[in-house]
Amino acid sequence: GDSVTQMEGPVTLSEEAFLTINCTYTATGYPSLFWYVQYPGEGLQLLLKATKADDKGSNKGFEATYRKETTSFHLEKGSVQVSDSAVYFCALSDLQGAQKLVFGQGTRLTINP
Amino acid sequence: GAVVSQHPSWVICKSGTSVKIECRSLDFQATTMFWYRQFPKQSLMLMATSNEGSKATYEQGVEKDKFLINHASLTLSTLTVTSAHPEDSSFYICSAVRYRGTEAFFGQGTRLTVV
Repeated sequence: GDSVTQMEGPVTLSEEAFLTINCTYTATGYPSLFWYVQYPGEGLQLLLKATKADDKGSNKGFEATYRKETTSFHLEKGSVQVSDSAVYFCALSDLQGAQKLVFGQGTRLTINP
Repeated sequence: GAVVSQHPSWVICKSGTSVKIECRSLDFQATTMFWYRQFPKQSLMLMATSNEGSKATYEQGVEKDKFLINHASLTLSTLTVTSAHPEDSSFYICSAVRYRGTEAFFGQGTRLTVV
């Protein structure tokens, strides 16, 4: 079945550092890809998404590009802030919408001032 | 808009008792709600899909008699863990989708500990 693998955490960085969180997937069809973020005490929030190959999702300085050839959707940010500390989940959906989601295991990110 | 409230955020119960978790869409009507479970250091795994007014659809390996799901209205779905055991201790989270919606909105999750 479909699956998502993301880099294990926790990840600890200093403020203004460059961030990459790797995510790869396996899917039989052409899935939509998502990054969700969960801040402490809150629910998961959609951070960005891409629905077809070579699409780039972006939001709040974060970016991820749907790479069909490498089956990847790595999350990047050029300069992280303390407020970016959260758990990040990569996910896919084999439907048009973000309904039935298959998640990676999550990566806890801590940014130190 | 699109707020989903899940209650309680954490609960501790004794082995053998039942626990109910509520998932409410506060400002929209959710025709479909999903329930996920996350064990430590593992992915969020879909347990079941709940459509308003109909029986839930359970994923393979999820016991429907143990995890009772009710979606009686367009704003409320409940998950009841019956006869809970320590191995049911986990993080449960719901998501809600509007009719023909393309985005899922998540509750904050419930940490269940069975002692």
